[in-house]
Amino acid sequence: SQTIHQWPATLVQPVGSPLSLECTVEGTSNPNLYWYRQAAGRGLQLLFYSVGIGQISSEVPQNLSASRPQDRQFILSSKKLLLSDSGFYLCAWSRGGHGYTFGSGTRLTVV
Amino acid sequence: GQQLNQSPQSMFIQEGEDVSMNCTSSSIFNTWLWYKQDPGEGPVLLIALYKAGELTSNGRLTAQFGITRKDSFLNISASIPSDVGIYFCAGQRAVRDIFGTGTRLKVLA
Repeated sequence: SQTIHQWPATLVQPVGSPLSLECTVEGTSNPNLYWYRQAAGRGLQLLFYSVGIGQISSEVPQNLSASRPQDRQFILSSKKLLLSDSGFYLCAWSRGGHGYTFGSGTRLTVV
Repeated sequence: GQQLNQSPQSMFIQEGEDVSMNCTSSSIFNTWLWYKQDPGEGPVLLIALYKAGELTSNGRLTAQFGITRKDSFLNISASIPSDVGIYFCAGQRAVRDIFGTGTRLKVLA
């Protein structure tokens, strides 16, 4: 069966520090991968998506970046975090038009 | 980016009551999806709708694909405390689905 792993679950980082969030998928190949951010009690904001290795589409210009070094690995990064980067980050995968499967999320607090 | 409009934005209901929420779009979709997000978790797919006019149930949940293909509805019957969370609709696109703004449901025991 397919599973998605996202870590860490929570993270507290100082302003100006780097960020690396990792997401991996098991049990499928060539999935579409997504990074979303959710402010407290709000909707889902798509940050990046990828349809294949090395292919990244950015939805929102900001100080975040994404990479897909392997077929089932998706990484969200920042060189210098801002206070406004705080939020709940969700990774998701899809394949074949059957909806998205989301990870359990990373709650990032920038202090 | 584009988002679908969901209403109501939030609602408090008494346990045992039925709940209705909807999702509207200015664009046509061929597939509608409904997700539920429990507090502190990622959204989970509840129901998928593939045909205009289709009515699909999943336990106490019933969803309908609007005949115009520009809207969808979700009903929850006899609500219970664990129904609390945020409900998202989504219209499916080839690569990137479009999500709704969410309906936050709070159930009073």
